[in-house]
Amino acid sequence: AQTVTQSQPEMSVQEAETVTLSCTYDTSESDYYLFWYKQPPSRQMILVIRQEAYKQQNATENRFSVNFQKAAKSFSLKISDSQLGDAAMYFCAYRRQNSGNTPLVFGKGTRLSVIA
Amino acid sequence: EAGVAQSPRYKIIEKRQSVAFWCNPISGHATLYWYQQILGQGPKLLIQFQNNGVVDDSQLPKDRFSAERLKGVDSTLKIQPAKLEDSAVYLCASSFTGYEQYFGPGTRLTVT
Repeated sequence: AQTVTQSQPEMSVQEAETVTLSCTYDTSESDYYLFWYKQPPSRQMILVIRQEAYKQQNATENRFSVNFQKAAKSFSLKISDSQLGDAAMYFCAYRRQNSGNTPLVFGKGTRLSVIA
Repeated sequence: EAGVAQSPRYKIIEKRQSVAFWCNPISGHATLYWYQQILGQGPKLLIQFQNNGVVDDSQLPKDRFSAERLKGVDSTLKIQPAKLEDSAVYLCASSFTGYEQYFGPGTRLTVT
C-alpha cells in the first residue's frame, strides 16, 4: 500500500520569507501524481500544486514550487514571499495513475504559521 | 461553476444515535469520494462511487456506516449507531477526469 509521510507537524515562517515543507512517499508504482493541498480553518481543501511523476520538470504555481526527487521518493513544497494568508494546514497527497479515477492518499499534514 | 456542496456543516450527537450527511458534487462529475478526517490526521478514504456504483469501500466500517449515490448525483453517508471514535470531519470530493479532486467544505461531527 502507498504511504505518505510528512515529518514536520508544525512549521513557522516570517512574512515575506521562504519556507520549505517536506514530504516523502512510498510506492512501487512508476506512474502517479503528487499534490499539495492547503486546508485553512474553514476546512475547505484547496489544491496548491500538482506534479506528474513522468515529468522531470518541477511544477511551479506563482509563489509555490516543488522539488520532486523521484528516485528518493521526495516531494517538498517551497513557499516564497510568505503571506499571512498562507497560514494553514498543508497536506501532501499521492494518487496512483490509472485508467479510472483513484483516491488520494494523504500525509498527516504540516501546520504552517506565518509571523507578521 | 458551483462547487461541491455539503450539509450540515456541524452536527453534535450522542453515542449510539444515528446521523446522515449529504453531498452534492459538481455537475457532470461522475466520481464521488467520501473521506474521514480525524483531528490531527490527513483525510482517509471511506468510499468511492463511479456514477451510482461503488468502486472502493474497503475502508468503510460496514457494520455502522452506509452510503448511497442514487441516480449518480447526490450522495448520502450514514452512521448508525455512532461511536465516540467517529468524531471527525467528513469530506466529500468529486472528480471528472480523476486528475483533480474538488472538495466540499466538510461536516464536523462530534459524538458525545
